[in-house]
Amino acid sequence: NAGVMQNPRHLVRRRGQEARLRCSPMKGHSHVYWYRQLPEEGLKFMVYLQKENIIDESGMPKERFSAEFPKEGPSILRIQQVVRGDSAAYFCASTTIPDTQYFGPGTRLTVL
Amino acid sequence: TQLLEQSPQFLSIQEGENLTVYCNSSSVFSSLQWYRQEPGEGPVLLVTVVTGGEVKKLKRLTFQFGDARKDSSLHITAAQTGDTGLYLCAGVVGNTPLVFGKGTRLSVIA
Repeated sequence: NAGVMQNPRHLVRRRGQEARLRCSPMKGHSHVYWYRQLPEEGLKFMVYLQKENIIDESGMPKERFSAEFPKEGPSILRIQQVVRGDSAAYFCASTTIPDTQYFGPGTRLTVL
Repeated sequence: TQLLEQSPQFLSIQEGENLTVYCNSSSVFSSLQWYRQEPGEGPVLLVTVVTGGEVKKLKRLTFQFGDARKDSSLHITAAQTGDTGLYLCAGVVGNTPLVFGKGTRLSVIA
């Protein structure tokens, strides 16, 4: 996990608010993946980004969710108008090789 | 439908015992990875296997990739309390994103 930073580690939001989750990849890594993990479940792929490009967003809900990875700065996963079902742990992973991913510590989102 | 089935779902053993956990699929994977995840943390990569029949060892952990690249096993010898955690397998099929199993939650009791 060393090197992949996520913040905040814990985020509490009320229904209808926005949640912004940040991921700073390991130095030199230009690929970022976002996953969601529910209790007692494995990780579910959401989106795959390279700098300034969304490569695969097939796992992302069509509404309320968006992701970006700008040229400068961290990758952002944004959830608008959160609902209780969005409560989960969100992990990002970074890589230089598409199938060797290094995970961050996660952000635990709780929607009240 | 779960692409990767892991078994058992839960396992509780005494320190010093041996154990094997399994990761099975009907799909052929170009590579398969094993991760360990501890509570409140992200998964940590243990190993990547890419060749059918491949065996890799990491101290007391032995990983095997099936000949047909559809399944894998993780064997732990003389388990220690520090082995406690959630063991996840994840596979790559063609160009699709990494797919995870639900994991085996291992508890090693002193």
